Amino acid sequence: QKEVEQDPGPLSVPEGAIVSLNCTYSNSAFQYFMWYRQYSRKGPELLMYTYSSGNKEDGRFTAQVDKSSKYISLFIRDSQPSDSATYLCAMSVYKGMNYGGSQGNLIFGKGTKLSVKP
Amino acid sequence: DADVTQTPRNRITKTGKRIMLECSQTKGHDRMYWYRQDPGLGLRLIYYSFDVKDINKGEISDGYSVSRQAQAKFSLSLESAIPNQTALYFCATRGSNEQFFGPGTRLTVL
Repeated sequence: QKEVEQDPGPLSVPEGAIVSLNCTYSNSAFQYFMWYRQYSRKGPELLMYTYSSGNKEDGRFTAQVDKSSKYISLFIRDSQPSDSATYLCAMSVYKGMNYGGSQGNLIFGKGTKLSVKP
Repeated sequence: DADVTQTPRNRITKTGKRIMLECSQTKGHDRMYWYRQDPGLGLRLIYYSFDVKDINKGEISDGYSVSRQAQAKFSLSLESAIPNQTALYFCATRGSNEQFFGPGTRLTVL
């Protein structure tokens, strides 16, 4: 079993739909959870960051972490064609910087390709 | 200017050739990474470095080598390129939280 599992999709939705993207993980020590967005032929960019369990909202985006179920989600409200991209979840045991050795490295899901149709 | 830059952006080479991909960063981060990305396989870690003297293998280091010339520079070499090394390669740095990626190098080995 991979440490982080993510449904690769592809996922196609009409404009305005609510999108739910999910990842499951097996390492209960993960504390730092991120969602990255990657447009075609570009590098991934950080979209949302959460620490431990709970919800975090930023505009149309909401990140949820349920550590008891080892499950994280990203919700996109009122989806737009500009949201069409690949979304990657990522997580680590420790923060980066000079702490935690390899457990400060991010573990990535394979990414879900989302297409929002006008 | 971009925080993480990669050169070249695109490269086509032949089997058996030696190739170097270069990465520079202006973030001042100690941690740097090299990944490759293939359709259906996601990002896979090749090598990572915590500082100039600390370099570590990732999950797919065979066929690759790296050099950390300075805090800001981390290069990836393919000593003898083979076709299954055709992929999109990303360099990244990590601060306390966020990981910053370069724009990628698209490498094709014929």
